[in-house]
Amino acid sequence: AQKITQTQPGMFVQEKEAVTLDCTYDTSDPSYGLFWYKQPSSGEMIFLIYQGSYDQQNATEGRYSLNFQKARKSANLVISASQLGDSAMYFCAMRELGGGSNYKLTFGKGTLLTVNP
Amino acid sequence: KAGVTQTPRYLIKTRGQQVTLSCSPISGHRSVSWYQQTPGQGLQFLFEYFSETQRNKGNFPGRFSGRQFSNSRSEMNVSTLELGDSALYLCASSLSTGRSTEAFFGQGTRLTVV
Repeated sequence: AQKITQTQPGMFVQEKEAVTLDCTYDTSDPSYGLFWYKQPSSGEMIFLIYQGSYDQQNATEGRYSLNFQKARKSANLVISASQLGDSAMYFCAMRELGGGSNYKLTFGKGTLLTVNP
Repeated sequence: KAGVTQTPRYLIKTRGQQVTLSCSPISGHRSVSWYQQTPGQGLQFLFEYFSETQRNKGNFPGRFSGRQFSNSRSEMNVSTLELGDSALYLCASSLSTGRSTEAFFGQGTRLTVV
């Protein structure tokens, strides 16, 4: 069964510094996608970045990059130059693609990031 | 382009009642999925609809049901509410074509059962 593990319930970072949020996953499907979402206190889930299991390069989106280590089954999110507005819950999620086109995301428990001024 | 719209934003219901939540996806998106978020269980997949058909279902009791209309709008119904059904219910829409399609979420409906 697919599983996502985020081992850091909370993280603190100083403004303008970089921070890494950990995510490991487990799946028997060779084809899958990994996502990171941000959830501010308002509740909406905001898509940040995507990595496909067959992608050769690590994904980057502005200040967000994904450190994808397939053999270790890890997909850590790196946020560079943290801003106060980055304070939020961050969720790692996976979608298994081998079963067809149905859309189901499996989420980790999340990491609460606090950016200090 | 309008985002995913969920109504209502907040609901308070009494045990034993039923409730219907609504989700309007992004125009052109035919896949709508629903998730329940609670402090104890985190985010859990409820079900997914595509072109009015349920494609996938999570591990929830039959009290939780849904449907999708021809315009891709979706509703989720919970009957015989229990205190444990108090949660943030999130709806997500996607194109569901291609491998790297992200899901776009609404702001959720916060349901409180008293």
